[in-house]
Amino acid sequence: GAGVSQSPSNKVTEKGKDVELRCDPISGHTALYWYRQSLGQGLEFLIYFQGNSAPDKSGLPSDRFSAERTGGSVSTLTIQRTQQEDSAVYLCASSLSLFTGNTEAFFGQGTRLTVV
Amino acid sequence: SQELEQSPQSLIVQEGKNLTINCTSSKTLYGLYWYKQKYGEGLIFLMMLQKGGEEKSHEKITAKLDEKKQQSSLHITASQPSHAGIYLCGADTHGTASKLTFGTGTRLQVTL
Repeated sequence: GAGVSQSPSNKVTEKGKDVELRCDPISGHTALYWYRQSLGQGLEFLIYFQGNSAPDKSGLPSDRFSAERTGGSVSTLTIQRTQQEDSAVYLCASSLSLFTGNTEAFFGQGTRLTVV
Repeated sequence: SQELEQSPQSLIVQEGKNLTINCTSSKTLYGLYWYKQKYGEGLIFLMMLQKGGEEKSHEKITAKLDEKKQQSSLHITASQPSHAGIYLCGADTHGTASKLTFGTGTRLQVTL
C-alpha cells in the first residue's frame, strides 16, 4: 500500500495475555519507529529501527516489551503478560532514512490496545 | 518541566478566523515536525522545519522555526471545519531524527 499499515486496528486482550502488534512501513523506508499514546498524554517514544537493528531500546517501558524487524520491512511489537496500564494506542511510523535531510516520518493509523 | 511545551492545549475558533499554535523546546531543535491527528486516521504529516528562521506554507497553514531554533509556531489562516483536530509538534533534539519528542497536542475546534 501507499502508507504505513498497522494491524490489528483494535485489540482487546485479557490481562496477562501476550499480544503482537504489526507494522508494515512504506516500501523503501529504512527507518521505523514505534510510539505509544496513552489517554490524555502525549506521544511516548518506544523504539526505532534503522534497517533491522534497534540501537536504542531505552524507551521500552519494561522487559515485557520487545520489538523486532525482519528483512528491513515488517516490524512486530510484542507485549508479554499484558497489564491494564499497557492500554494505549500504539503508533508506528517510517521514514526514508535517519541520516539525510529527508526525515519526514509518516505514521500509521495505530493499534488501539485495551487490556481488560 | 516538559522538554517540549505546546500551547494552547485547546482552542475553539469561529470559521474564518486565524489562529496560532506554539511549540517551545527547552533544547535546541535540529528538526521540528508538525502533525495533525484525527480520530481513526493516525497522524498526518504537515511539515518539517530544520533551519533557523525557516518558514513553510501549505494551503492555509504556515509554520515557522525561530532563529534560535527553540520555538515554532503553526498559523492557520481563515480556519475551516476541516482544520479541526489535534495538532502535535514533534522535536528532534538529538540531531538524528531517531527519537522525536512530542508535545501533548493542541485540540482545535472550528465552529460555524
